Amino acid sequence: QKEVEQNSGPLSVPEGAIASLNCTYSDRVSQSFFWYRQYSGKSPELIMSIYSNGDKEDGRFTAQLNKASQYVSLLIRDSQPSDSATYLCAALTNTGNQFYFGTGTSLTVIP
Amino acid sequence: DVKVTQSSRYLVKRTGEKVFLECVQDMDHENMFWYRQDPGLGLRLIYFSYDVKMKEKGDIPEGYSVSREKKERFSLILESASTNQTSMYLCASSSTGATNYGYTFGSGTRLTVV
Repeated sequence: QKEVEQNSGPLSVPEGAIASLNCTYSDRVSQSFFWYRQYSGKSPELIMSIYSNGDKEDGRFTAQLNKASQYVSLLIRDSQPSDSATYLCAALTNTGNQFYFGTGTSLTVIP
Repeated sequence: DVKVTQSSRYLVKRTGEKVFLECVQDMDHENMFWYRQDPGLGLRLIYFSYDVKMKEKGDIPEGYSVSREKKERFSLILESASTNQTSMYLCASSSTGATNYGYTFGSGTRLTVV
């Protein structure tokens, strides 16, 4: 099993809907997780981090961490066409100095 | 605003050329990284450095070398460019600490080797 795994998609949702992006992880990572958004041809930009079990909300974005099931989710409420991008899940290594990345999920929000 | 700056946005080089990709950060970060990103393969770590003059191999170091003579600068060198090194190259930096605040990425260099 890879350290961090994502469904590559593509995922399509209509404008205004909730987009749900999921990521699972192995025992080889620490308990710090990050979501990055990457527009086509651009570099990744950090959206959210989550360290504790449960939900963390920031505007239209909610990150969820379930340590018992070893998954991390990102929910995007009221999806907008500008949310169309690839979303990368990342987990901090146990050494604490670098990250394992998933391969990314491509999201398209249809107007 | 904190920045990671990569010297070139697009590069076209010929097979066999020696290629230098430069990355400079102004955040006083200890850690710097070089990744390549290819469709379907995600981000793959080439080399990283946790301190000046220190370097460690990542997952795919073959055909590459790095240099970190100053804290703010981390250079990636393609010793003899080959067509399979055509890719998007991303530099990133981060701080060291019990709580890591994530990477800051540069804008990327899209390298084409012909």
